[in-house]
Amino acid sequence: QKEVEQDPGPLSVPEGAIVSLNCTYSNSAFQYFMWYRQYSRKGPELLMYTYSSGNKEDGRFTAQVDKSSKYISLFIRDSQPSDSATYLCGTLKTSYDKVIFGPGTSLSVIP
Amino acid sequence: DADVTQTPRNRITKTGKRIMLECSQTKGHDRMYWYRQDPGLGLRLIYYSFDVKDINKGEISDGYSVSRQAQAKFSLSLESAIPNQTALYFCATSDSMLAGGPKTQYFGPGTRLLVL
Repeated sequence: QKEVEQDPGPLSVPEGAIVSLNCTYSNSAFQYFMWYRQYSRKGPELLMYTYSSGNKEDGRFTAQVDKSSKYISLFIRDSQPSDSATYLCGTLKTSYDKVIFGPGTSLSVIP
Repeated sequence: DADVTQTPRNRITKTGKRIMLECSQTKGHDRMYWYRQDPGLGLRLIYYSFDVKDINKGEISDGYSVSRQAQAKFSLSLESAIPNQTALYFCATSDSMLAGGPKTQYFGPGTRLLVL
């Protein structure tokens, strides 16, 4: 079993829709949870991270962690065509650890 | 100018050839990483270096070697390339001295490698 699992998609939604992207992880020792966005032909870039359980909001993006079920979510409100990208979740045990990445979910937002 | 650069951006080579991918960073970060990305498999760590004298194998190091020539330079070599090493390769850096929070990784633009 991979340490971090993610539905690869592709996921296609109309502009303005609410998008839900999800990951599951297997190791309860993970403390930090990150979302990276990767545009086509570019390197991944950090979108946001959360520590332990709870929610974190940044504009149209909300990251949610449920440690009891080992479930990570990223919600995108009012999705835009510019949100079309691959989204990778990542986890770490401590702030000094290497990131363990999920395989990524490809998202297309159709105008 | 980009903080993390990779050369070449695209490379086609033949089976058995030795090839080197280079990574340079101007961020002043101490940690550097090499990943490969394949469809459906995501990012897999090949090697990482926490400082100039520290080199560590990642999950898929077989067939690869690395050299950390300076804090700012980290190169990846394929000693004898094979077709299943065809992939997108990324270099990344992070700063272990950054106070608080996870040490965010900053990625280069990637190198597309095709081994025939």
